[in-house]
Amino acid sequence: IQMTQSPSSLSASVGDRVTITCRASQSISSYLNWYQQKPGKAPELLIFAASSLQSGVPPRFSGSESGTDFTLTISSLQPEDFATYYCQQSYSSPLTFGGGTKVEIK
Amino acid sequence: EVQLVESGGDLVQPGRSLRLSCAASGFIFNDCSMHWVRQVPGKGLEWVSGISWNGDKIAYADSVKGRFAISRDNAKNSLYLQMNNLTPEDTAFYFCAKDPGEGTYSPGVGGLGFDAWGQGTLVTVSS
Repeated sequence: IQMTQSPSSLSASVGDRVTITCRASQSISSYLNWYQQKPGKAPELLIFAASSLQSGVPPRFSGSESGTDFTLTISSLQPEDFATYYCQQSYSSPLTFGGGTKVEIK
Repeated sequence: EVQLVESGGDLVQPGRSLRLSCAASGFIFNDCSMHWVRQVPGKGLEWVSGISWNGDKIAYADSVKGRFAISRDNAKNSLYLQMNNLTPEDTAFYFCAKDPGEGTYSPGVGGLGFDAWGQGTLVTVSS
């Protein structure tokens, strides 16, 4: 299953609302997870099952789905949110990640 | 506190072998399936392999099938990745990752994501 993320990068300001999209090449039900990765660090799970917030993750992060399209939204971008975000499908093996979206400071 | 610590990364020549280890602590290791994920420096994430809680179910990416072997020792709270016939395309950081699901159907399938990761170990394949 191919996972296509868009955009590949974006520039935004603190306080902006940011939306990242991930499209699956076929139906994956709600088996979609989102990760955040900062430079030199391991990824961290933000959202699982398309819209469930991982424990400890701020509520400004949210996930939604519409068919094979999935969205990660950051309601008000904070300085610590500048990072690269990846989606991952866990519907079938091999598990696959999207190509990533780098969120940079405008 | 959940901790995953990888080791074993090194510079190796093409065609050689390497074994990575991941030491786990802070959670019930044999309740969880485990995975290896790799990342070429500056590039995206690639799932490599996963193993169910008891080792009965194993899955591999096509890119490593037949060359890599995942295993675990629940008595030692450890995960391993035996990598054979390495090529330059295997050069990457290798992360171990915890999956809260047991993976009894297929590791990671139907799962809720990888909720803990190690810091990674670098494998460089070059002559």
